[in-house]
Amino acid sequence: DTAVSQTPKYLVTQMGNDKSIKCEQNLGHDTMYWYKQDSKKFLKIMFSYNNKELIINETVPNRFSPKSPDKAHLNLHINSLELGDSAVYFCASSSGWEGTEAFFGQGTRLTVV
Amino acid sequence: SQKIEQNSEALNIQEGKTATLTCNYTNYSPAYLQWYRQDPGRGPVFLLLIRENEKEKRKERLKVTFDTTLKQSLFHITASQPADSATYLCALDMIRSNYQLIWGAGTKLIIKP
Repeated sequence: DTAVSQTPKYLVTQMGNDKSIKCEQNLGHDTMYWYKQDSKKFLKIMFSYNNKELIINETVPNRFSPKSPDKAHLNLHINSLELGDSAVYFCASSSGWEGTEAFFGQGTRLTVV
Repeated sequence: SQKIEQNSEALNIQEGKTATLTCNYTNYSPAYLQWYRQDPGRGPVFLLLIRENEKEKRKERLKVTFDTTLKQSLFHITASQPADSATYLCALDMIRSNYQLIWGAGTKLIIKP
């Protein structure tokens, strides 16, 4: 069983469109995350979500919004896509406690044309 | 703000030798430091975690050291194999950042047969 699964793996879309990426974890973790990995390979935290508390990276445009229907799911919705949004997006989860590892999904490669 | 530096140049090592990767940070020491492996098209996978009061941690052929005076962690793979070829990321677990991980850009390791 896949611990953290996200769909789709690839997403090609036009500028201005709205798209969503889905993420599910079956580890029973309390905390989920969305990361963006750019062409330079830096992983940048976008959001963390713990027990309905959302912590937002202030540099993330408000076109990006996380939605969590329950503890096992954290979806990422993006409005009005721009060329600069092209990147690989990773969902991850952890227990949320200090010193615990993060488990990552396979990533979604988003290409905006 | 905290900055993390990993060697951006790829590291080429002959099979059977020890590979040593470096992770340097600039400001206050993290409570924990984690190392991950990332293969192309995949999400990072956790390898090892070391606490600030630990000098060294081992797991099979892997060894991590943590020097808070030098603000540096070293990651060693002994008896390296071509299958060890991947990008290795270090991540700082900062209590002051609500336990969110701060990531280096990673070092690409190539083990030549």
